[in-house]
Amino acid sequence: QQQVKQSPQSLIVQKGGISIINCAYENTAFDYFPWYQQFPGKGPALLIAIRPDVSEKKEGRFTISFNKSAKQFSLHIMDSQPGDSATYFCAASSIGTALIFGKGTTLSVSS
Amino acid sequence: DTEVTQTPKHLVMGMTNKKSLKCEQHMGHRAMYWYKQKAKKPPELMFVYSYEKLSINESVPSRFSPECPNSSLLNLHLHALQPEDSALYLCASSQNRDSGTQYFGPGTRLLVL
Repeated sequence: QQQVKQSPQSLIVQKGGISIINCAYENTAFDYFPWYQQFPGKGPALLIAIRPDVSEKKEGRFTISFNKSAKQFSLHIMDSQPGDSATYFCAASSIGTALIFGKGTTLSVSS
Repeated sequence: DTEVTQTPKHLVMGMTNKKSLKCEQHMGHRAMYWYKQKAKKPPELMFVYSYEKLSINESVPSRFSPECPNSSLLNLHLHALQPEDSALYLCASSQNRDSGTQYFGPGTRLLVL
């Protein structure tokens, strides 16, 4: 019940396309859902996060869509660029609990 | 400023060595974390400090010893490590344990020979 399932494991998108990464969770107590971006040899960087009181949050080209009834959330990267090529981790937590990470998605944006 | 710094960036050590990893943040955060990350895997939580007290130890072997000298500093003392301990060691901090938003440092790449 503590798992966060992330898909796909890897993703190849053409430059200018839309990248979509999905995550699903079971624990209905989770109330914070961040996405992290990690480049090789670097630490994860917080990209965008959402709480369950909203269904969508947009920051620039990055959008989180959240479906509370389906217990799913997704990251959409619009106009994907080669510089977006990285590993993306979704995560979830609730008050007093540790962040539970998905297994990660390696995104490659081809030019 | 959301910066967490870690030193050293790279570390090579033998199985009999003693070394320390250092992490620092000046955001006034009162929760600090150590994670271990293997290649192509998500970070694995090792330790959590809340208000300078150890609050979570995820069954980490005693060859890893954390220390929180003050609210800005976090150390990880390493002794008698095994080759399988080679990994990227990440430090993170958050406003408090309940805030959710964690900021990660760049990590220390550790190689145990």
